Amino acid sequence: DAMVIQNPRYQVTQFGKPVTLSCSQTLNHNVMYWYQQKSSQAPKLLFHYYDKDFNNEADTPDNFQSRRPNTSFCFLDIRSPGLGDAAMYLCATSRDWAEQFFGPGTRLTVL
Amino acid sequence: AQRVTQPEKLLSVFKGAPVELKCNYSYSGSPELFWYVQYSRQRLQLLLRHISRESIKGFTADLNKGETSFHLKKPFAQEEDSAMYYCALRAPREYGNKLVFGAGTILRVKS
Repeated sequence: DAMVIQNPRYQVTQFGKPVTLSCSQTLNHNVMYWYQQKSSQAPKLLFHYYDKDFNNEADTPDNFQSRRPNTSFCFLDIRSPGLGDAAMYLCATSRDWAEQFFGPGTRLTVL
Repeated sequence: AQRVTQPEKLLSVFKGAPVELKCNYSYSGSPELFWYVQYSRQRLQLLLRHISRESIKGFTADLNKGETSFHLKKPFAQEEDSAMYYCALRAPREYGNKLVFGAGTILRVKS
């Protein structure tokens, strides 16, 4: 009964090679979020979609993009990953601004 | 700006001992505060929120506006409480209702 699914769980990419992380949900929530969590640090919001409206955090690098083709799916695209982008990436969903439900995360390694 | 501080990276207690995980916040308005928990190999999940004034798994947290604190407490720790605990504050609507997380505290309950 997985509710927020992230694929893959582990992703290895090369420096500068574009990578896409995937998130899907079965909750029919209208808000989807992407967080970046580096080792021993707090999760940091990158952006979120409220329905189809995209909201980027002011300090999210241009290297990070997102797509939400429908309610259930949301993608995180990293155009040219650097070593500093190695982190756990968490997807979360919510019904409006209620409780956020998190996925298990994708751990990204950049070689 | 909203900020959440969890001063302890690690808290180690014996089974049956009281637990207090500290959380302080900076926010000028009326905050909405949460505790999230992440057990080993599991996803981040909501433990409790201050507006509910509930006790979950024996944990309680009281909002103290004078001290700008939202400490998490449990009178008798159990081994299954061992996890990473994050305090989070919800920013107001004009800031996108986003969650601002503290860096987290690892709780280790020893037998």
